[in-house]
Amino acid sequence: AQSVTQPDIHITVSEGASLELRCNYSYGATPYLFWYVQSPGQGLQLLLKYFSGDTLVQGIKGFEAEFKRSQSSFNLRKPSVHWSDAAEYFCAVGATGGNKLVFGAGTILRVKS
Amino acid sequence: GAVVSQHPSRVICKSGTSVKIECRSLDFQATTMFWYRQFPKKSLMLMATSNEGSKATYEQGVEKDKFLINHASLTLSTLTVTSAHPEDSSFYICSARDPRWADTQYFGPGTRLTVL
Repeated sequence: AQSVTQPDIHITVSEGASLELRCNYSYGATPYLFWYVQSPGQGLQLLLKYFSGDTLVQGIKGFEAEFKRSQSSFNLRKPSVHWSDAAEYFCAVGATGGNKLVFGAGTILRVKS
Repeated sequence: GAVVSQHPSRVICKSGTSVKIECRSLDFQATTMFWYRQFPKKSLMLMATSNEGSKATYEQGVEKDKFLINHASLTLSTLTVTSAHPEDSSFYICSARDPRWADTQYFGPGTRLTVL
């Protein structure tokens, strides 16, 4: 069965510092991987996705993620965090050619000035 | 990216009444939409998959008679919470699968349901 682990429930970084949010997945075949961001009381916004090809994917708002098959990881990174990045971030995995997404528990990002 | 809307954004109802939530894909046709429920400080739980023109597929443990889903057109799916009770209070989020970007789900802004 598919599963996603986001080991960090909360992360606090200083504005301007770099960020890495961890995501590990369990899936038997080639996964489709996603990162979404959710602000309080809002829906989810797609940051980036990996289907195939280049393992380093670029997303919106200056985010990137790297797919590492050997580590079953898809960590999200940003070189310089802005206060507006404070939100909750969800990693998700989907089946190749399928529809369902399985979400991780989420990581709440706090940005201190 | 694709745009998905939900209506209403917030609803308060009395126990025993029914509430309908609409999910619309605004700039694409979605043969498949999904309904999620999110509890406070929790992740999203998939409730059901809604397919245009056919019956929804419910996840294990989700009462299909309580959460009625209709996907009558390629741009609209509705979730009706029947005979709502306080324990149904939650944040409900829909998503739509964009066929232009296979297997990418775009999410609506969510509906906060409070049952008194």
